[in-house]
Amino acid sequence: DAKTTQPNSMESNEEEPVHLPCNHSTISGTDYIHWYRQLPSQGPEYVIHGLTSNVNNRMASLAIAEDRKSSTLILHRATLRDAAVYYCILRGGTSYGKLTFGQGTILTVHP
Amino acid sequence: GAGVSQSPRYKVTKRGQDVALRCDPISGHVSLYWYRQALGQGPEFLTYFNYEAQQDKSGLPNDRFSAERPEGSISTLTIQRTEQRDSAMYRCASSLAVGEGYEQYFGPGTRLTVT
Repeated sequence: DAKTTQPNSMESNEEEPVHLPCNHSTISGTDYIHWYRQLPSQGPEYVIHGLTSNVNNRMASLAIAEDRKSSTLILHRATLRDAAVYYCILRGGTSYGKLTFGQGTILTVHP
Repeated sequence: GAGVSQSPRYKVTKRGQDVALRCDPISGHVSLYWYRQALGQGPEFLTYFNYEAQQDKSGLPNDRFSAERPEGSISTLTIQRTEQRDSAMYRCASSLAVGEGYEQYFGPGTRLTVT
């Protein structure tokens, strides 16, 4: 499985934008980039996914580098409720069914 | 609408006993997944189904673990002869279909404690 690298932790202030980076230099052409987050004491929650183009939804934006070797999850205005572990996951190839979670980035949001 | 449900939410069992964990996916979701999560770690894939067919069981740790989804809806994860190292949160997820473009919806999990 292609591997992703994320910072262990990041901090932000409430109502400020947050850019969460993810490196995936071994990504293959058919791998989708997925982001999930896990709030304390809850199950993982889907955030966004993309293949090549940047994506926007009500929760966040996903910016994908032109060479697809990195991506950035953008929370436009962080709230206290966004404090969670954020996972960047590649899905594709023969193991396209499953999600392979790494360590993720622990996001702390300060009031 | 109703999300993924799991039962029981908490299970305490003695070492050597068998346990069965149930997952009820979102109605109409074809694909169902089982994960296990240790404290402080990300979820670890166990197995998944497409309809009633078990497509990938590569994550099941050993032959004490098995899963079924006989009618393509509810699934049961069974652990035989439980050991203390089996203690974890067991999470179920479902998706509309299998494939890289489909998001997975997770249930609340079953916290298993083996004493």
